[in-house]
Amino acid sequence: GDSVTQMEGPVTLSEEAFLTINCTYTATGYPSLFWYVQYPGEGLQLLLKATKADDKGSNKGFEATYRKETTSFHLEKGSVQVSDSAVYFCALSDRNNDMRFGAGTRLTVKP
Amino acid sequence: SAVISQKPSRDICQRGTSLTIQCQVDSQVTMMFWYRQQPGQSLTLIATANQGSEATYESGFVIDKFPISRPNLTFSTLTVSNMSPEDSSIYLCSVDDSRLGEAFFGQGTRLTVV
Repeated sequence: GDSVTQMEGPVTLSEEAFLTINCTYTATGYPSLFWYVQYPGEGLQLLLKATKADDKGSNKGFEATYRKETTSFHLEKGSVQVSDSAVYFCALSDRNNDMRFGAGTRLTVKP
Repeated sequence: SAVISQKPSRDICQRGTSLTIQCQVDSQVTMMFWYRQQPGQSLTLIATANQGSEATYESGFVIDKFPISRPNLTFSTLTVSNMSPEDSSIYLCSVDDSRLGEAFFGQGTRLTVV
């Protein structure tokens, strides 16, 4: 079945460092791809999404590009802040509207 | 890790009726979350359920429509009340185990209201 493989954490960075969290997927057809973020003590929030190949989702300085040829949707941010410390989940929604989540990557940004 | 059992996995219900979805965790967790994913849309948080207190609902969701119980640290229920076809969605529970620093998800409940 469809699945998402996400870079394992935890990831610890200094403020203003470059962030990449890798995400690859396995799916039949063309799923929609998402990055969700969970801040401490809060529920999941949608960070960005892409619904077709070569689409780039972006929000709050984060970007991810839907790469069909490499079945990837890596999350990037050029300069992280302490407030970006959270758990990040890569996910896909298949043609049946079923969500598949990656395991989550905990990011800690130190001042 | 935490293992979550969510049931039912799917149901077809008549409009005007109510459905209660159960979420059982194999360990004690502080925070539990209920989400909805409507067709073609991303996941939306309905409410946060902490044991011993009333659930906290997000904007657009009310207790009369989505009553939640959290009787202990391993169990929660979400009821979808007085259902209409617009309530047809996937409902998902999630737990946040701060001791492990991770979040875990149930299998989801696919609800169709006819």
